[in-house]
Amino acid sequence: ELKVEQNPLFLSMQEGKNYTIYCNYSTTSDRLYWYRQDPGKSLESLFVLLSNGAVKQEGRLMASLDTKARLSTLHITAAVHDLSATYFCAVDISHNDMRFGAGTRLTVKP
Amino acid sequence: DAGVIQSPRHEVTEMGQEVTLRCKPISGHNSLFWYRQTMMRGLELLIYFNNNVPIDDSGMPEDRFSAKMPNASFSTLKIQPSEPRDSAVYFCASSLQGAITEAFFGQGTRLTVV
Repeated sequence: ELKVEQNPLFLSMQEGKNYTIYCNYSTTSDRLYWYRQDPGKSLESLFVLLSNGAVKQEGRLMASLDTKARLSTLHITAAVHDLSATYFCAVDISHNDMRFGAGTRLTVKP
Repeated sequence: DAGVIQSPRHEVTEMGQEVTLRCKPISGHNSLFWYRQTMMRGLELLIYFNNNVPIDDSGMPEDRFSAKMPNASFSTLKIQPSEPRDSAVYFCASSLQGAITEAFFGQGTRLTVV
């Protein structure tokens, strides 16, 4: 059975601090996505990681993929309140058939 | 493009009634997904279409659930009869299979069955 595990599930950070969210998965895949969801809203794509060693950065967020370890990370640098949201990783198992992790609910406090 | 369009945005219905959720994918996309999101179970893939053909419906919880995609620009998810435990947010997403791109999500339909 495919497992996509995120940790932590809940994360409370101070503004200005750094932290990393982890996404482990149990199947072979070389494509992984990160999405953001604000409360009551839809899912917004953040990153598409397409190969081993892929690294992408947007603002204070940086995502990486290690397909050999079946691990992706989402690193937050100098967090700000606007980053408060739930972050999901999703593993592509076949032709954009994505399976999602449980999500990490991030709260950034002043 | 207006993105993936779902209707209705909110639906409140009584147990036992039929509910139909609708989705218009992004023009040109050939893959369409229905997801259900609840606090308890997170995001679950219900069914996945490619070129209007259902590819994987293993996530459809029961025979009460059915989905159709009569053409490339429209899909429905029907629940008949509905039950309170079906209350959730239902998302539709679309993508272009074979392209190096992610799936794009609609705004969701919040279903409440009382």
